[in-house]
Amino acid sequence: DIQMTQSPSSLSASVGDRVTITCRASQSITTDLNWYQHRPGKAPSLLIYSASSLQRGVPSRFSGSRSGTEFTLIISSLQPEDFATYYCQQTYNVPFTFGPGTKVSIK
Amino acid sequence: QVRLAESGGGVVQPGGSLRLSCATSGFSFNKYGMHWVRQAPGKGLEWVAFIRFDGSQTYYADSVKGRFTISRDNPKNTVYLHMYSLTAEDTAVYYCAKDYFSVTALDVWGQGTMVTVSS
Repeated sequence: DIQMTQSPSSLSASVGDRVTITCRASQSITTDLNWYQHRPGKAPSLLIYSASSLQRGVPSRFSGSRSGTEFTLIISSLQPEDFATYYCQQTYNVPFTFGPGTKVSIK
Repeated sequence: QVRLAESGGGVVQPGGSLRLSCATSGFSFNKYGMHWVRQAPGKGLEWVAFIRFDGSQTYYADSVKGRFTISRDNPKNTVYLHMYSLTAEDTAVYYCAKDYFSVTALDVWGQGTMVTVSS
């Protein structure tokens, strides 16, 4: 199975900050990498698919990129509604494993 | 508007069985694959199972293989998760999610249904 790691596991940031979350795959997954946001008590939502494609309706402050087996989610200017846990997921091979998550909290 | 609504959760004894349902509306259900994902208390998301649009192929996480079965009824726009031989490690909120059309991504999720395995 493909293992996914994320760093950091948690971070504290202020509104307006630039936030960077990294996800690494244990082997090549080409661009088969998605990012999700999950707020407590809510359904998860898709932010980015295929490593860098912004899901319809997602604000442009979210962006994704890939360098080999390392993937990055950037929030360019953190907003109050962005405090949540963020997960990457590989869909290159079954099982479609998620990363362990990165919790973004208010500083 | 695309909607997914899970049901069937509850409390079940270890070794017991449960069937979850996910009723959908607002899209051509018979054209899309469907996933189940779970989140145990205090843990992250865990992908559980996937079924192709026509039900021709199914895939499972190692942790549920041989115990869970995903199925679908296209005329009823509903996907199911049949769960057998449940253990405490299966306690979680279970979400169904619709697959994206051109790539594998979970683009619409339900609100989830809680399953508690306890004696």
